[in-house]
Formats: sequence, structure tokens, C-alpha cells
Amino acid sequence: DQQVKQNSPSLSVQEGRISILNCDYTNSMFDYFLWYKKYPAEGPTFLISISSIKDKNEDGRFTVFLNKSAKHLSLHIVPSQPGDSAVYFCAARGNGNKLVFGAGTILRVKS
Amino acid sequence: DTGVSQDPRHKITKRGQNVTFRCDPISEHNRLYWYRQTLGQGPEFLTYFQNEAQLEKSRLLSDRFSAERPKGSFSTLEIQRTEQGDSAMYLCASSLVRGVFSTDTQYFGPGTRLTVL
Repeated sequence: DQQVKQNSPSLSVQEGRISILNCDYTNSMFDYFLWYKKYPAEGPTFLISISSIKDKNEDGRFTVFLNKSAKHLSLHIVPSQPGDSAVYFCAARGNGNKLVFGAGTILRVKS
Repeated sequence: DTGVSQDPRHKITKRGQNVTFRCDPISEHNRLYWYRQTLGQGPEFLTYFQNEAQLEKSRLLSDRFSAERPKGSFSTLEIQRTEQGDSAMYLCASSLVRGVFSTDTQYFGPGTRLTVL
């Protein structure tokens, strides 16, 4: 069963505009959520996280929003830059501290 | 470079052979995790250590897989009698957990790409 879902396999955005990546989860016991960015042939790089007791966290151009009632989180990147082009993974922390990942969304930022 | 390192970066082996991967975590981190990633999927949890103790193993980790972290620093992941289905990227991550309310942000290494022919 897929407890974390990223329903959009890919997203294309113009440079300077907002990128919005979405993630849905099913397990209400998840208490901590993270976004990772991955370039080809590299490991995932941590971007930003949010605790389940918050609904928003900002770090520079990146903002993560959490809607617990809808079991939905999103990552906003403003403004988008060509260097942001990568695969973005949503992850949730469950029992035993292991992370459960979504399948990823490929973001392409066009200049 | 003080990030997580993994060795080798690539490994090609024949079916039935044994392989061993190494992970060196960020030096002060007490937790170390192994994940496996196949094409088009996100990483899947395999096992994790708190210091030298292996605290959890996934059902994905068959008897052919074994992991160790003998001195609570580096870790090794061994796959015996490799099968073609073992072909994947093997990722190591580490984190520092100080207490019950620690956020346990995991930082990943570059991975080891295994190809079983």
C-alpha cells in the first residue's frame, strides 16, 4: 500500500514563476514530513521539513504547507530557477523513524 | 567534505556472487539508515541502526541481506547470492537524534548503483 503519494509524475514551469508540488498521505500517525531534491546519479538532498504540529514552514524560496485534515502537503518554490530542475520527493516519518517516500515528481524549470 | 559517503559508487556483478557496500555517516550522527531505490520509485526503507544496535529491519530485507555497524561508525550492507531483482540504487542516510522530540532529519549519501547481470 502506498502511504505517500505524489500524483503528478512531472511538472513544467517557466523561470520566475511559482512551482507547486503536491503530496498526499494516508497514515494519520505520520508526525514529520520532509521534501528532498534529487539530481541524476546523486543521493536525495534535504530541502525543508515540517512537523505535524505546524501548518507552514519557510526557508528562503521554499515553503511547505501542511493540511492535516486533508492529509495533504505541498512545496512552493518562488521564484523558480532553472537549477531547481530535479526530481522532488515527499517523505513522511512513521513508526520506528523510517521515512516513507512518494514516487517523486520531475520538475522542469524552463528559461 | 563532511557529508555521508558511500563506496563503491557503482558495482556490476554476476548473479550468484556476493557484494558488500560501505557507508560512512556524518561523523557525529548516531543513526544510520539503509534504503533501496528502483527506477521510477522513491527510496524504500531497509534497516536502521542506533549506534551499533540494529533496531529495525524491513520485510524487504531477505535472509540474503545483512547489515552491520560494528563500532557505531561506518556500516556495511552485504548481499549474498545476488539476483537480478537486487539491481537498484542502495542509499545510506544518517541523522543525529538527541531525545524523544528530535526531528531526526536524515541526510543521504550519493548511493551505490548495483547491477546484477
